[in-house]
Amino acid sequence: NAGVTQTPKFQVLKTGQSMTLQCAQDMNHNSMYWYRQDPGMGLRLIYYSASEGTTDKGEVPNGYNVSRLNKREFSLRLESAAPSQTSVYFCASSEGLYSPLHFGNGTRLTVT
Amino acid sequence: AQSVTQLGSHVSVSEGALVLLRCNYSSSVPPYLFWYVQYPNQGLQLLLKYTSAATLVKGINGFEAEFKKSETSFHLTKPSAHMSDAAEYFCAVTRGYGGSQGNLIFGKGTKLSVKP
Repeated sequence: NAGVTQTPKFQVLKTGQSMTLQCAQDMNHNSMYWYRQDPGMGLRLIYYSASEGTTDKGEVPNGYNVSRLNKREFSLRLESAAPSQTSVYFCASSEGLYSPLHFGNGTRLTVT
Repeated sequence: AQSVTQLGSHVSVSEGALVLLRCNYSSSVPPYLFWYVQYPNQGLQLLLKYTSAATLVKGINGFEAEFKKSETSFHLTKPSAHMSDAAEYFCAVTRGYGGSQGNLIFGKGTKLSVKP
């Protein structure tokens, strides 16, 4: 049982480049989330999708877009990367908005 | 507005000693509170959660936490530390009313080191 799978694991971008972080879960969960983790800051919610077909902004959505492609997949896009977006990105899923979160192993992104 | 404060970014204990990780919260509504653990190069795993059913909550790996409304605290404890407990621990509170984990506010984390 793979759980939550994130790709890629590592990525280096130049300022202004774009990329999409992929996330897939095989637990038939309804809700999916994107967080970023920065040293000394804890985790901050970027976007979440309560159910297939819906997405909502979290605490720090600026500079990001998301797509809930289907029930399994939730992608995060950086249209024009900035050094401030250097971070570790975590995807998570849950059965519903009131259920425990299951996290992927993260994508470490560096923007130079 | 809801917030979480974890006291101490680093805690070091000896193997077999008591583990105490502190978390204080601020919430304008009855809170749902959580502790998560992150091992190196991994995502977070749920340790335990408080959802108003009982003030003393038992979690995995021998950890427990007590909800104290009068102190607005939700400290994490384990009677005897093991080397495998070395990790980073995060306290979190729900942003909105009720137990929606879709909008959790995380503390900044406490890194636990265990000395042999």
